[in-house]
Amino acid sequence: DTAVSQTPKYLVTQMGNDKSIKCEQNLGHDTMYWYKQDSKKFLKIMFSYNNKELIINETVPNRFSPKSPDKAHLNLHINSLELGDSAVYFCASSQEGTSGMSHNEQFFGPGTRLTVL
Amino acid sequence: KQEVTQIPAALSVPEGENLVLNCSFTDSAIYNLQWFRQDPGKGLTSLLLIQSSQREQTSGRLNASLDKSSGRSTLYIAASQPGDSATYLCAGEGDSNYQLIWGAGTKLIIKP
Repeated sequence: DTAVSQTPKYLVTQMGNDKSIKCEQNLGHDTMYWYKQDSKKFLKIMFSYNNKELIINETVPNRFSPKSPDKAHLNLHINSLELGDSAVYFCASSQEGTSGMSHNEQFFGPGTRLTVL
Repeated sequence: KQEVTQIPAALSVPEGENLVLNCSFTDSAIYNLQWFRQDPGKGLTSLLLIQSSQREQTSGRLNASLDKSSGRSTLYIAASQPGDSATYLCAGEGDSNYQLIWGAGTKLIIKP
């Protein structure tokens, strides 16, 4: 069974379009994350949600908007795509800690390779 | 600001050798540390997690250690196999910011 799944796996689109990437986890975790891996392979956190509430929001353009309909899903919507948005986007999840935050192991999805033309 | 460095950036060794991958942090205030494996075009697989109170973790042929005082972690792979070929990433979580800070990875190639 897939623990953390993302769709689509590949996304090729024109500059200026709006697109969404979906993420689902079946681990029963309370915290979910979105990461961006750039061409140099560095991963940087973009957002983190705990029980459908935003807890980490790094400095990303407001064209990026996460949406969490329930704690098993965290979707990423991107408006007005730009060339620099091309990257691999990873979703992850972890179990909530007692303080509502998590120092626990993170499990990652397979990634979505976004190419903006 | 926490920065993570992984050395070497790339490593190619014959099958069967034991090897060590290194990860170092500029700020030793690390709560826990994870080692991941990334295969080309695929996602990240968590290999080992070293919690705050631990100094090392072992899983099969893999052993990871964490020395907070020096801000260093090593991943030891015993009896390497071609299937071990992948990029290995370390990521540390800070004491208070609950965010993983990542290294750029070590690309490992095991030659048959």
